[in-house]
Amino acid sequence: QVQLQESGPGLARPSETLSLSCTVSGHSINSDFSWGWIRQPPGKGLQWIGSISHSGSTYYNPSLKSRVTISVDTSKNEFSLRLSSVTAADTAVYYCARDGRGGDGFDIWGQGTVVTVSS
Amino acid sequence: SYDLTQPPSVSVSPGQTASISCSGDKLGDKYVCWYQQKPGQSPVLVIYQDLKRPSGIPERFSGSNSGDTATLTISRTQAMDEADYYCQAWDSSTAWVFGGGTKLTVL
Repeated sequence: QVQLQESGPGLARPSETLSLSCTVSGHSINSDFSWGWIRQPPGKGLQWIGSISHSGSTYYNPSLKSRVTISVDTSKNEFSLRLSSVTAADTAVYYCARDGRGGDGFDIWGQGTVVTVSS
Repeated sequence: SYDLTQPPSVSVSPGQTASISCSGDKLGDKYVCWYQQKPGQSPVLVIYQDLKRPSGIPERFSGSNSGDTATLTISRTQAMDEADYYCQAWDSSTAWVFGGGTKLTVL
């Protein structure tokens, strides 16, 4: 059974970098599939942030691309998100999910982690 | 950028059929997925590749996609179906795009 679990600080300071990790269990992260990050501001809808393929190729939401880096650590079977120069608008629940690419969607999601940007 | 438009809310009576639309330019040329999200929970994939259901999703959930509109249809709607629903599509220029979400009320 594949499971994903987000981890990281629940608070980020304005202008600093938000860093989160997603640990994958029950599936080797570098075997197949892509792996993605999605966020949801309080009371709002879902926004895809970006994804990374099993081979390490990345693709990002154009509106966030300049501030986002997604990487993989195969030794820990986890992938990570870094979002730089954060503002209050980046306050959200951040989810990691398995990305089936193309038409297969995000079929397995983590429970989500709340990140608040505040001084 | 590519945009997907959903109605903010849809209401349905128990036992009736609910239809939630998702519109975008030439959306029928793209694959569409649908997610159900209940308060305080992570989204759940209910439809992928326009009309396929993941394992465990009731047959009451179905999808279609043609022209500029994709539709999620929930037959014999139950109180447990009350949730927010999001459509999603893959676009070659912007990759994944989500619709704004539709709140389904069963009353």
